[in-house]
Amino acid sequence: KAGVTQTPRYLIKTRGQQVTLSCSPISGHRSVSWYQQTPGQGLQFLFEYFSETQRNKGNFPGRFSGRQFSNSRSEMNVSTLELGDSALYLCASSLDFSTSGNTIYFGEGSWLTVV
Amino acid sequence: GDSVTQMEGPVTLSEEAFLTINCTYTATGYPSLFWYVQYPGEGLQLLLKATKADDKGSNKGFEATYRKETTSFHFDKGSVQVSDSAVYFCALSDAGTGNQFYFGTGTSLTVIP
Repeated sequence: KAGVTQTPRYLIKTRGQQVTLSCSPISGHRSVSWYQQTPGQGLQFLFEYFSETQRNKGNFPGRFSGRQFSNSRSEMNVSTLELGDSALYLCASSLDFSTSGNTIYFGEGSWLTVV
Repeated sequence: GDSVTQMEGPVTLSEEAFLTINCTYTATGYPSLFWYVQYPGEGLQLLLKATKADDKGSNKGFEATYRKETTSFHFDKGSVQVSDSAVYFCALSDAGTGNQFYFGTGTSLTVIP
């Protein structure tokens, strides 16, 4: 069974630009969540999507947005990039949203560098 | 709010040494607790989990017990190998917040032959 797939793996953008990252969850998984990982702040939750609806949102500015498609694939977008947005962006998928104790399975991440 | 505090690293051990990494949590509800491992250049992989008090999670020789009375989920392995060198994260998810996970800061482990 294929794991969580994220594209692109590496990218470099200039301040002020925008970026779109893509995530394909494990087959059959309907929940997709996104995390930002930085050396200073660690792993922080961005948002979660289930059945094409955002279910939870972390404490990030509105420049960070996402969406989910009917096939459960998800994209996240960051507009007006800042240097501080340089990070590893991790996507995770899970079977369900509503029950507690679900395991989330991570992709390898997209490394974003803003220059 | 919910949070996880885990032992700071880095930790360096000789092969076959005993490993323990402390993790404590704060949660408003009834959390499930997890340990994830991250190898260089990769995403996080689930190592073990426990969903209720006194549950013991175990995998590949790693163990952790969910202690509600001390709000802890300490992690240990009796004999580490060079291949265990990685960063380990303690995490929780709380009932009612979907799959929003709260992670500790990570503990880097290096095992030397």
